[in-house]
Amino acid sequence: AQSVTQPDIHITVSEGASLELRCNYSYGATPYLFWYVQSPGQGLQLLLKYFSGDTLVQGIKGFEAEFKRSQSSFNLRKPSVHWSDAAEYFCAISSASKIIFGSGTRLSIRP
Amino acid sequence: EAGVAQSPRYKIIEKRQSVAFWCNPISGHATLYWYQQILGQGPKLLIQFQNNGVVDDSQLPKDRFSAERLKGVDSTLKIQPAKLEDSAVYLCASSLASSGRGLMSEQFFGPGTRLTVL
Repeated sequence: AQSVTQPDIHITVSEGASLELRCNYSYGATPYLFWYVQSPGQGLQLLLKYFSGDTLVQGIKGFEAEFKRSQSSFNLRKPSVHWSDAAEYFCAISSASKIIFGSGTRLSIRP
Repeated sequence: EAGVAQSPRYKIIEKRQSVAFWCNPISGHATLYWYQQILGQGPKLLIQFQNNGVVDDSQLPKDRFSAERLKGVDSTLKIQPAKLEDSAVYLCASSLASSGRGLMSEQFFGPGTRLTVL
């Protein structure tokens, strides 16, 4: 069965520091992978997606993610976080015609 | 471009009462989704419509939940009767189309309705 695991429930980083959020997936074929961000009281916004091709994907707001088939991972990175990046981040995988979301990682920013 | 609209934003009811949520997708979007997001979890798909037909309702608790999209535009999700475990945020999303793996078209999410069942 397809699944997505986000091992970190909550991460705190200092403003200006680099960020990496982990995502591992289980899927029998080449997956479609996504990262979404959810700010408090808001819906989800797509940060980036991977369908095929270049394994390093650039997204909005300065985020990028790297697909590593050998590790079944799709980690999200940002070189320098801003206070406005504080939010909940969800990794997701496409299965048939629907998305399966991970449980999310809450990101807090230390001033 | 207007986004996905949902109402109400918040609702508090007692168990065994009924409740309805409304969603108006982005104009021209054929596919509409309802998700349930329980606190501390990722969203879970409840039902997917393509125009006014149901594509997937495998995770919809049909004994108490129902949804319709009569004219292929806006949609209503109803819970009757509500249980304590239905407390969650209900998210509506829409996309231009759903094809094959279903997600070549980006899903756009509304702000959600936060339901509290007492």
